[in-house]
Amino acid sequence: SQQGEEDPQALSIQEGENATMNCSYKTSINNLQWYRQNSGRGLVHLILIRSNEREKHSGRLRVTLDTSKKSSSLLITASRAADTASYFCATVAIINTDKLIFGTGTRLQVFP
Amino acid sequence: DAGVIQSPRHEVTEMGQEVTLRCKPISGHNSLFWYRQTMMRGLELLIYFNNNVPIDDSGMPEDRFSAKMPNASFSTLKIQPSEPRDSAVYFCASRPTGSNTEAFFGQGTRLTVV
Repeated sequence: SQQGEEDPQALSIQEGENATMNCSYKTSINNLQWYRQNSGRGLVHLILIRSNEREKHSGRLRVTLDTSKKSSSLLITASRAADTASYFCATVAIINTDKLIFGTGTRLQVFP
Repeated sequence: DAGVIQSPRHEVTEMGQEVTLRCKPISGHNSLFWYRQTMMRGLELLIYFNNNVPIDDSGMPEDRFSAKMPNASFSTLKIQPSEPRDSAVYFCASRPTGSNTEAFFGQGTRLTVV
């Protein structure tokens, strides 16, 4: 079964707007990662946040982690049409740090 | 490094035929994962290997599915016999040792069983 659930399932915005995607998970984690998937392609890693971190930035990406609520959010600021893709969270559990389990994903459409 | 390489990119086969998907991980990566992606079930972890040893195959849907990793640079996922419900995109990913490392994905194999 999948570890993470993401919402919304789909999100449509205009260029320049911010996009926020949320991820909830079930077990205690070592870290949480966000990936992007363009249509017909493999997933590409965006950012990793460790369980002892609360917030992390990378360019226009901002990730937060709330381990008490078992949730994370990915914020893309000043979105561009090129940000159109599916975004997935993935968790690495404390017990088994080899395994990477993905959430259901959010499909983001950014209109020019 | 050329990244994770999967072959074939596309496969169309008839129901009942054997299908073999191939993966070459990034050199030096100790973990290798096989995922299946469908609209209905999303991205499912089928099996993963650590240092060429299968660690967890609990995601393998049925006995028709099998995976091997004979050496550090090659893995196969076999479906025998194939069924239409196996139609999906199959991804291979590799990851270096360490809990705080990222996974690198291949481009996937789109399998269609008719």
